[in-house]
Amino acid sequence: DADVTQTPRNRITKTGKRIMLECSQTKGHDRMYWYRQDPGLGLRLIYYSFDVKDINKGEISDGYSVSRQAQAKFSLSLESAIPNQTALYFCATSVGAEETQYFGPGTRLLVL
Amino acid sequence: QKEVEQDPGPLSVPEGAIVSLNCTYSNSAFQYFMWYRQYSRKGPELLMYTYSSGNKEDGRFTAQVDKSSKYISLFIRDSQPSDSATYLCAMSAAAGNKLTFGGGTRVLVKP
Repeated sequence: DADVTQTPRNRITKTGKRIMLECSQTKGHDRMYWYRQDPGLGLRLIYYSFDVKDINKGEISDGYSVSRQAQAKFSLSLESAIPNQTALYFCATSVGAEETQYFGPGTRLLVL
Repeated sequence: QKEVEQDPGPLSVPEGAIVSLNCTYSNSAFQYFMWYRQYSRKGPELLMYTYSSGNKEDGRFTAQVDKSSKYISLFIRDSQPSDSATYLCAMSAAAGNKLTFGGGTRVLVKP
């Protein structure tokens, strides 16, 4: 089984709808991250969490919220989806001060 | 101006050629430098990791960091069609700190 899983893998939604993307990990890592990827822009950090009680905004947090339900689970919500939130979303994990981040397979989101 | 710049490509090379990729950056505080490989419809995976300036070699891959020029490179020797992917550079200022990514370079190795 994959160490970092994301659900759903693909989602189509309409403008104004609330949507939640979920991430689970079996790596036992304390740190979790949400990124979005757009063509030519690389990965941009939305939110990150260094432990269950720690939530931090990344560079593009507007329009998003997160919940760290447990060490292994980190959810990303779009409260009212808009078309420019159409992107590929990745969850990642890391442990302590190590630099290596392990990425999930991604969720492809289309907002109509 | 982006903090990390990377040519988007695509970079097309024949099988067996050397692939040369690079990134430039503006933040002199960056000390940790990484290269990630991303296959189509997959998440990025760490390929190379370098701390501060210098070279690092791992099989067919060599990573170079020149902090004085704020320039990092990745070389792939004897390229294979399986090396066709998008390569993303990433960097951070401190261990365990959040990463800043380049936009990625798409590489196509033709048989």
